[in-house]
Amino acid sequence: DAGITQSPRHKVTETGTPVTLRCHQTENHRYMYWYRQDPGHGLRLIHYSYGVKDTDKGEVSDGYSVSRSKTEDFLLTLESATSSQTSVYFCAISKLGEEQYFGPGTRLTVT
Amino acid sequence: DQQVKQNSPSLSVQEGRISILNCDYTNSMFDYFLWYKKYPAEGPTFLISISSIKDKNEDGRFTVFLNKSAKHLSLHIVPSQPGDSAVYFCAASPTSGTYKYIFGTGTRLKVLA
Repeated sequence: DAGITQSPRHKVTETGTPVTLRCHQTENHRYMYWYRQDPGHGLRLIHYSYGVKDTDKGEVSDGYSVSRSKTEDFLLTLESATSSQTSVYFCAISKLGEEQYFGPGTRLTVT
Repeated sequence: DQQVKQNSPSLSVQEGRISILNCDYTNSMFDYFLWYKKYPAEGPTFLISISSIKDKNEDGRFTVFLNKSAKHLSLHIVPSQPGDSAVYFCAASPTSGTYKYIFGTGTRLKVLA
């Protein structure tokens, strides 16, 4: 398995609170991604990074921000969590961009 | 508007037989395709990829076929094993610029022993 960890693995938070999810890789891959998985939608790209401090939006980026200050870490922040952001969040990494390798996921519940 | 569609939510196959999972796409700019397998409570696992310059790619029991004119790809698993029971996702991306994949909604495969 590619060296990807996500923390926390589970989180319950209240509406309106900020939440930060962390993705950590040990593969030194250039590309990192954040997806969310919801029933009936498959996986949808939130944000991605193509290098340190280089990030861009995906198809469902509203309400989310990201930061990448080191190659190995990619942070996803929900500035003010809403119930619609209850989901399973997956981080993925890629060396050259083609094949992506996923972390174990973080289950987030916003009450 | 679903650009990548997996129209069969579920599929049951007898152990040892062939499993065929289908995926259709609408965007003609897509030219790189992936298949993933996902077990419950785990992240998706990369299975196999195909570029639009090919019409077939094989890796062990897994073969992906691409029909560009029909905008259709399929994953064949032969022979199917009980451990193949999982949800399978196809994903598509254009290769110009950064790869940004659009995923299908998945097909749940159950291989019966």
